[in-house]
Amino acid sequence: GAVVSQHPSRVICKSGTSVKIECRSLDFQATTMFWYRQFPKQSLMLMATSNEGSKATYEQGVEKDKFLINHASLTLSTLTVTSAHPEDSSFYICSAGERSRAGGYTFGSGTRLTVV
Amino acid sequence: GNSVTQMEGPVTLSEEAFLTINCTYTATGYPSLFWYVQYPGEGLQLLLKATKADDKGSNKGFEATYRKETTSFHLEKGSVQVSDSAVYFCALSDRGGSEKLVFGKGTKLTVNP
Repeated sequence: GAVVSQHPSRVICKSGTSVKIECRSLDFQATTMFWYRQFPKQSLMLMATSNEGSKATYEQGVEKDKFLINHASLTLSTLTVTSAHPEDSSFYICSAGERSRAGGYTFGSGTRLTVV
Repeated sequence: GNSVTQMEGPVTLSEEAFLTINCTYTATGYPSLFWYVQYPGEGLQLLLKATKADDKGSNKGFEATYRKETTSFHLEKGSVQVSDSAVYFCALSDRGGSEKLVFGKGTKLTVNP
């Protein structure tokens, strides 16, 4: 079945530094990738949608300059949290979809970001 | 806009008990409906899905039927196991599953031996 690899699974960084999270589709071409943020004991909040080769579409309230998304190829999307602060600590999850597949998305295993 | 409402947890059951987690939705058009499961510390896994009215999704003993008349997609399992302990999310997408998902808030299930 479809597999999405997300790295790193956990990262701890100092306040003010930037962190890059990668999301790769291993056996299919991800025409669309989604980035979610999950707060403790809450649901997933969609941050942005990225389509290969075009700029990401951010949801209302998400700072595009803080959360940089790049979808340079059909198998790779990256989320960079710039100038991270403790309030950015969260669980970030990517998911990948392919327009030729009907129904369902494949999710990465998530990245636990802790900013100290 | 589209939205999903699912019963709030946590839900605690004994092994072999019957499980129902309610989910209702509001959507324009004809969404696809999904249940995802999240085990502790992990990402989401698709549990089952239904893409049109009256479809029944099933997997690992879990079932859910797409009820357009009641705009519901309740998750059921006849006999839960300890290994079913996880958070369950109901979700919808508005165009065949290739568009963004709208999630419910999740229901945490704990199954005790």
